[in-house]
Amino acid sequence: DTAVSQTPKYLVTQMGNDKSIKCEQNLGHDTMYWYKQDSKKFLKIMFSYNNKELIINETVPNRFSPKSPDKAHLNLHINSLELGDSAVYFCASSLFKGYVKLFFGSGTQLSVL
Amino acid sequence: EDKVVQSPLSLVVHEGDTVTLNCSYEVTNFRSLLWYKQEKKAPTFLFMLTSSGIEKKSGRLSSILDKKELSSILNITATQTGDSAIYLCAEEVGDKIIFGKGTRLHILP
Repeated sequence: DTAVSQTPKYLVTQMGNDKSIKCEQNLGHDTMYWYKQDSKKFLKIMFSYNNKELIINETVPNRFSPKSPDKAHLNLHINSLELGDSAVYFCASSLFKGYVKLFFGSGTQLSVL
Repeated sequence: EDKVVQSPLSLVVHEGDTVTLNCSYEVTNFRSLLWYKQEKKAPTFLFMLTSSGIEKKSGRLSSILDKKELSSILNITATQTGDSAIYLCAEEVGDKIIFGKGTRLHILP
């Protein structure tokens, strides 16, 4: 049973397209996150939701829009994809806001051509 | 500027060696310091350290925080090839967890 699952694992698309990445956790956690890891392996927070409410929104282009239909799901929609969006996107969850033990999904490798 | 700075960026040692990985952090709004291990895919949690300075241990891994030096070390003794990974240090600042760039550790058989 995968605790934090993301789909798809790989996403190859053309510049200008719109794409979504889905994330689900079955741990009963309250808080979910999106992180971006670039080619230099630098892991940066993008968004965080606590019980469907947005609590962290880093300086991320408006083309990125997270959506949390319920506390077990946090999806990421990206409009007008650019070359610089190529990275691995990790979803994560934690028991509650401020709990530092994060459980990560296995990542979505996004390649924009 | 980076809040969490790790060194070295990469390290290659032989199986059986002991390694020490370093992490320095900023004090503003500091709550805790974290270590994660990232093998092929998802990072997994190793330790959480606070200003108490209490050492954390798990098998051959141990870590401690020096609040005077604003730094932490992660020690791995008797390294094995399975220890090859990227080791990420992170700082809990307010509601956020901010990661360093990681140390890529490669253990040669």
